[in-house]
Amino acid sequence: AQTVTQSQPEMSVQEAETVTLSCTYDTSENNYYLFWYKQPPSRQMILVIRQEAYKQQNATENRFSVNFQKAAKSFSLKISDSQLGDTAMYFCAFMKHNNAGNMLTFGGGTRLMVKP
Amino acid sequence: DVKVTQSSRYLVKRTGEKVFLECVQDMDHENMFWYRQDPGLGLRLIYFSYDVKMKEKGDIPEGYSVSREKKERFSLILESASTNQTSMYLCASSLGGGHRELFFGEGSRLTVL
Repeated sequence: AQTVTQSQPEMSVQEAETVTLSCTYDTSENNYYLFWYKQPPSRQMILVIRQEAYKQQNATENRFSVNFQKAAKSFSLKISDSQLGDTAMYFCAFMKHNNAGNMLTFGGGTRLMVKP
Repeated sequence: DVKVTQSSRYLVKRTGEKVFLECVQDMDHENMFWYRQDPGLGLRLIYFSYDVKMKEKGDIPEGYSVSREKKERFSLILESASTNQTSMYLCASSLGGGHRELFFGEGSRLTVL
């Protein structure tokens, strides 16, 4: 079974600064997918960024980027130029590659507050 | 845009009551999921369905059942609600095959007294 650990229950950052959210996972699989999802207050969860384990290049989406360290089983999310709208719960998630059902294993979440 | 709609945002029920949580998606997705969200525990999978009338247990199926009679609708049933089922329930859907993104509803917060 896979496990996903987010060691920072809460974080805060000043607007316009950079913040990094940590995620580690445990798996015996070689091919898999990793995700960061964002859940704004009282709103639905949305996908922020995705990384395929067989790709060495770190994924980026505008201000969001990841640092994927496969050997260390680490998958951190960096948010640059933080904005007030980035305030949300962030969840790291794991999916096996050969997973027709698209089942995700989630971490416990990190609550991020962006301060003006 | 994909829309996943959960019928109730907030529910309050009494211990022993039967509870139905409804979820509808409008994008013809094969897969549908019910997750439970609790502070510090993240999201845990209760049940999922990859086709009409098909269902598979997730990590915490005890005390729950599901129904998928139509492709767009996936219902979560608590046969006899208990206080430890007080939680936020999230429905999600996704295309099958190589598509990996899940689309979530806004959640249903259930309180069992």
